[in-house]
Amino acid sequence: DVVMTQSPLSLPVTLGQPASISCRSSQSLVHSDGNTYLNWFQQRPGQSPRRLIYKVSNRDSGVPDRFSGSGSGTDFTLKISRVEAEDVGIYYCMQGTHWPPWTFGQGTKVEIK
Amino acid sequence: QVQLVESGGGVVQPGTSLRLSCAASGFTFKDYGMHWIRQAPGKGLEWVAFIWFDGSNKDYADSVKGRFTISRDNSNNTLYLQMNNLRAEDTAVYYCVRGYRTGSDPFEFWGQGTLVTVSS
Repeated sequence: DVVMTQSPLSLPVTLGQPASISCRSSQSLVHSDGNTYLNWFQQRPGQSPRRLIYKVSNRDSGVPDRFSGSGSGTDFTLKISRVEAEDVGIYYCMQGTHWPPWTFGQGTKVEIK
Repeated sequence: QVQLVESGGGVVQPGTSLRLSCAASGFTFKDYGMHWIRQAPGKGLEWVAFIWFDGSNKDYADSVKGRFTISRDNSNNTLYLQMNNLRAEDTAVYYCVRGYRTGSDPFEFWGQGTLVTVSS
């Protein structure tokens, strides 16, 4: 199984400042079809997860452009250019290249300092 | 708009069974693979099971293999998860999640979840 490792697990951020979350996979996430199936999800307190980013860097509809995804192979990053209060929550990366199983990172809790 | 509404959760004793349902609307259900994903209280996300669009293939996490069965009724746009021999570690919120169809990317739509508590 592919192991997804996120860091940090806790991320206190000042409003208006940038934030960055790292996600590493135990093997390359490049699929034989040439795509890299790496997703990012946001889970606000008391809510269901919401997909923010698919295939490394594609932002979902309605997702603010302060969120961006990047990376390749085994190393991926989610960046928030300027953190807002509504960004508080837990962020998960997930791979969909080598399945089953589909596997998630442990989650990174973003909170306001 | 896409809606996924789970039901069937509750408090049950270890060793007993429960069946979850997920009513889908707002899209052509029979064209999509579907997933169950769970989240234990205060913990992260864990993929549980997947079923192909036509029900012809199913996959399970090792933690539930042999105890859980995923199924679907495409005529009624409903996804199911039959959970047998439940254990305390199955306590979680269970989410129904839309999967793959040619030309679309999976995991975009999630239900609100249904809570299963396994306790004596």
